[in-house]
Amino acid sequence: NAGVTQTPKFRILKIGQSMTLQCAQDMNHNYMYWYRQDPGMGLKLIYYSVGAGITDKGEVPNGYNVSRSTTEDFPLRLELAAPSQTSVYFCASSPGEKLFFGSGTQLSVL
Amino acid sequence: AQKVTQAQTEISVVEKEDVTLDCVYETRDTTYYLFWYKQPPSGELVFLIRRNSFDEQNEISGRYSWNFQKSTSSFNFTITASQVVDSAVYFCALFSGGGADGLTFGKGTHLIIQP
Repeated sequence: NAGVTQTPKFRILKIGQSMTLQCAQDMNHNYMYWYRQDPGMGLKLIYYSVGAGITDKGEVPNGYNVSRSTTEDFPLRLELAAPSQTSVYFCASSPGEKLFFGSGTQLSVL
Repeated sequence: AQKVTQAQTEISVVEKEDVTLDCVYETRDTTYYLFWYKQPPSGELVFLIRRNSFDEQNEISGRYSWNFQKSTSSFNFTITASQVVDSAVYFCALFSGGGADGLTFGKGTHLIIQP
């Protein structure tokens, strides 16, 4: 019962580098989300998707891109990483109102 | 617009004390869901409870209880006889407006249970 799987768990990037955070779910959920959590703050929505081929911006989308080519996968792309993107990233999926979260990716941009 | 306010940034109590975490929400929707999540030091998000807007009954689960009051737009969480293992950050969250854009989270309350 894998649920929502995020990789990698930890990553250190240099300023200006790019990377993709992977997220996969095996529950056949239509809805998927990317959140970021900064110290002392709640989670803020970066991007979300209501189904394959459909994505939309959340509260803090700048500096990120997403794609949803399949129901299962929802990768988050960071282009030209900046120190402000140092955060913990959570992916989630949902069949409706209850979200199932991955275990998070801790990203540092130095 | 949706908003969740957790005014208590940090609470510290001694083990076995009771503690209440406050949550106040704002939404214009009549149908919505409220959630509490626990984030232990290991970092994962653990689902605790979901309550829909039409069910104002209080709920008790072991040492945990929740008080939902629509009149004051509050959904407070009480831990009875706290234990060190309860130490964590607790988030209140709101799902409304059709919810395709997911949950709106409060900033969280850091609960410290001292032995």
